[in-house]
Amino acid sequence: RKEVEQDPGPFNVPEGATVAFNCTYSNSASQSFFWYRQDCRKEPKLLMSVYSSGNEDGRFTAQLNRASQYISLLIRDSKLSDSATYLCVVNGGKYNQGGKLIFGQGTELSVKP
Amino acid sequence: DTAVSQTPKYLVTQMGNDKSIKCEQNLGHDTMYWYKQDSKKFLKIMFSYNNKELIINETVPNRFSPKSPDKAHLNLHINSLELGDSAVYFCASSQVRTGDYNSPLHFGNGTRLTVT
Repeated sequence: RKEVEQDPGPFNVPEGATVAFNCTYSNSASQSFFWYRQDCRKEPKLLMSVYSSGNEDGRFTAQLNRASQYISLLIRDSKLSDSATYLCVVNGGKYNQGGKLIFGQGTELSVKP
Repeated sequence: DTAVSQTPKYLVTQMGNDKSIKCEQNLGHDTMYWYKQDSKKFLKIMFSYNNKELIINETVPNRFSPKSPDKAHLNLHINSLELGDSAVYFCASSQVRTGDYNSPLHFGNGTRLTVT
């Protein structure tokens, strides 16, 4: 099983749609969780951290389910500018292996007019 | 005020050559990383250094040698370059808190290496 696994893409949605991405992780001791966004030929950029109680930032909502080892990202009212690859990132867990941060393979989102 | 800067941005070279990529961060983070992103876009960790000490080495060929002269710098030297080394290499930094938690990674803008 991969350490961090995401929904396969691509997701093609119309503007204004709501889209959800899922991510599962294998290490139950992981403590830090993030969603990143990567535009074509650019570096990944932090979209949001994911907290145990769930958190929201504008149109973006992240949820964490530790029991199921599952993270989600919900995007409401999709914009054309949301088109990118979304990366789930999880750390190595207790004793953290020196801060190892592991990326999922990414889910590509394409928002169409 | 670039937080993580790496040079060069593009590197085109022939098989068998030796090349280096430099990285510097001004965020005061204690941990720096090299990630490789291949043609399938998968980001894979190669190395991490915490306060100049090598912490993670993810079964990378020993042709790749990271060097950290201080905690703000992490360079990557590659010997005897092969076609399969063509990829985008990202430097990143983070703060590791209490050994269990990470602050988010901040990335440099990448070095696109092409080996011909």
